[in-house]
Amino acid sequence: GNSVTQMEGPVTLSEEAFLTINCTYTATGYPSLFWYVQYPGEGLQLLLKATKADDKGSNKGFEATYRKETTSFHLEKGSVQVSDSAVYFCALSQFDTDKLIFGTGTRLQVFP
Amino acid sequence: NAGVTQTPKFRVLKTGQSMTLLCAQDMNHEYMYWYRQDPGMGLRLIHYSVGEGTTAKGEVPDGYNVSRLKKQNFLLGLESAAPSQTSVYFCASRTGTIISNQPQHFGDGTRLSIL
Repeated sequence: GNSVTQMEGPVTLSEEAFLTINCTYTATGYPSLFWYVQYPGEGLQLLLKATKADDKGSNKGFEATYRKETTSFHLEKGSVQVSDSAVYFCALSQFDTDKLIFGTGTRLQVFP
Repeated sequence: NAGVTQTPKFRVLKTGQSMTLLCAQDMNHEYMYWYRQDPGMGLRLIHYSVGEGTTAKGEVPDGYNVSRLKKQNFLLGLESAAPSQTSVYFCASRTGTIISNQPQHFGDGTRLSIL
């Protein structure tokens, strides 16, 4: 079946450090891929998405590229801020289903 | 912009009690979802609806029931609460097109504790 695997957290970084959160997926066909972010005490918000191979999603300085050859969608940011501290979820959606499949989430902690 | 609103935000129940969680969206979305979030397990789909009057089971439906009598509302019921249902519950909605790349919009969650 379809699944999403994320690196375990927490990821702890100093402000202005480079961030990578790994995400790999298993799916048939060509799923759409998403990164959601959850700030403390809030629901999930869409951060970025990509709908086909080699697409790059970007938002708020975050980027992720849909790599079909490695079935990956790693999240990156060149310089993190304290305000980026949150839990990040990778997710996929198949064309012929109504549902999202989520990874387990990765907690990011950024210290000044 | 209200978006997706969940009530209540917090609730403590005793084992065996019943309750209903309400989700309301003002975006005229066709699809609505109920998830539970537990530590180390991400979000798991409980039930969902693809339109008014329809419901379907998700990954973990046992112990829960749902209703979608109005397009804007999606209710999640616990008939006889159990400690294993202690969790944070999230409602989400999305526009109803065949294109699955439309994002889901989430509420702020309901934290439910069963003693």
